[in-house]
Amino acid sequence: GAVVSQHPSRVICKSGTSVKIECRSLDFQATTMFWYRQFPKQSLMLMATSNEGSKATYEQGVEKDKFLINHASLTLSTLTVTSAHPEDSSFYICSARDKDTIYFGEGSWLTVV
Amino acid sequence: AQSVTQPDIHITVSEGASLELRCNYSYGATPYLFWYVQSPGQGLQLLLKYFSGDTLVQGIKGFEAEFKRSQSSFNLRKPSVHWSDAAEYFCAVGAPNTGNQFYFGTGTSLTVIP
Repeated sequence: GAVVSQHPSRVICKSGTSVKIECRSLDFQATTMFWYRQFPKQSLMLMATSNEGSKATYEQGVEKDKFLINHASLTLSTLTVTSAHPEDSSFYICSARDKDTIYFGEGSWLTVV
Repeated sequence: AQSVTQPDIHITVSEGASLELRCNYSYGATPYLFWYVQSPGQGLQLLLKYFSGDTLVQGIKGFEAEFKRSQSSFNLRKPSVHWSDAAEYFCAVGAPNTGNQFYFGTGTSLTVIP
């Protein structure tokens, strides 16, 4: 199957700083990527859909100015958590669409201290 | 509206026993159906998918799933569970020809006891 890589796998940042997470499709071109947030022992919460070359589409309740998404190429989407606060600590997962299937990255643990 | 239901939040089985995880969906036409597995602290791995054709699909790690249109179900099965199968399992529905719409169930947590 297609491979999606996410980096970093774990990051710790100070409150008030920004942190960037990268999502790459390694062996296919992804015009569409998705960003999710997952709380412990819960399902995936779709945050936004990222389309190459255009603005991301955010789900209701997700602050687009706080969670900046950029999809500048067919193999890379980035999620930047701006002015991070402890409540932003979570597991963030990206996925990329290859034809009619989506493939997931390994996830990124963000801890804001 | 499209939706996915996984009725079992948590299932415990003995190693070597058979397994069936339930998934029901609501969709106006034949959807694309998926099962993913998530080990603790990891991303999701695709186990198998159904688009059309044979309603019994084989996946990786010895898993299979059967699409039953009359029951709007896509249950995941494995004849003999291994301790390494302990994980969270997610059923998902993709809407054909819409491109971007995927819906996930709330997941079923599988515990395997020796």
